[in-house]
Amino acid sequence: NAGVMQNPRHLVRRRGQEARLRCSPMKGHSHVYWYRQLPEEGLKFMVYLQKENIIDESGMPKERFSAEFPKEGPSILRIQQVVRGDSAAYFCASSPWTEPYEQYFGPGTRLTVT
Amino acid sequence: ILNVEQSPQSLHVQEGDSTNFTCSFPSSNFYALHWYRWETAKSPEALFVMTLNGDEKKKGRISATLNTKEGYSYLYIKGSQPEDSATYLCAFKSGNTPLVFGKGTRLSVIA
Repeated sequence: NAGVMQNPRHLVRRRGQEARLRCSPMKGHSHVYWYRQLPEEGLKFMVYLQKENIIDESGMPKERFSAEFPKEGPSILRIQQVVRGDSAAYFCASSPWTEPYEQYFGPGTRLTVT
Repeated sequence: ILNVEQSPQSLHVQEGDSTNFTCSFPSSNFYALHWYRWETAKSPEALFVMTLNGDEKKKGRISATLNTKEGYSYLYIKGSQPEDSATYLCAFKSGNTPLVFGKGTRLSVIA
């Protein structure tokens, strides 16, 4: 039973480019969460999605960031026109649809903006 | 803004020592409290999900207690081993908010 998969593990982008981070949830999980870890900070919630629906995006920056979880395929976190401050580790977690919605984390994508 | 505090921030113990650390969270509108273990260069690993006041959970040498009325949870490690070295995160969920994580307690067990 494969765990949560994220790719790429490391991503380097120049300022102004786009970054696309992918997350495949565990088999049978229908909920996906994205978190960001900035240097010296803890994990910060960004967005919570179910298939084809954004449930809670209260942690997403208002501009340049978007997320989707299509009917088929992985969840995508997209960052347009990246800036140096976007450099961070981005973690995805998935949970089943039953309570207490225990979350299982992927290995993360480390984004570096040069 | 929900605040989840963990203390201490870091801890060094000798192999064989028992240790504990604290997670404090808002006592109102409680839904669940999660504990994770996060080793360097790996992903956070779920340890416990606790939902009821007075809950006590155990996994091997690690156990946790929960007091929702006063808003705290303790994580205990009995007979610490070097492989227990990791950051221990707690995360709080209220009825209608996503998980809010503390900054973690970084444990180093010295052989």
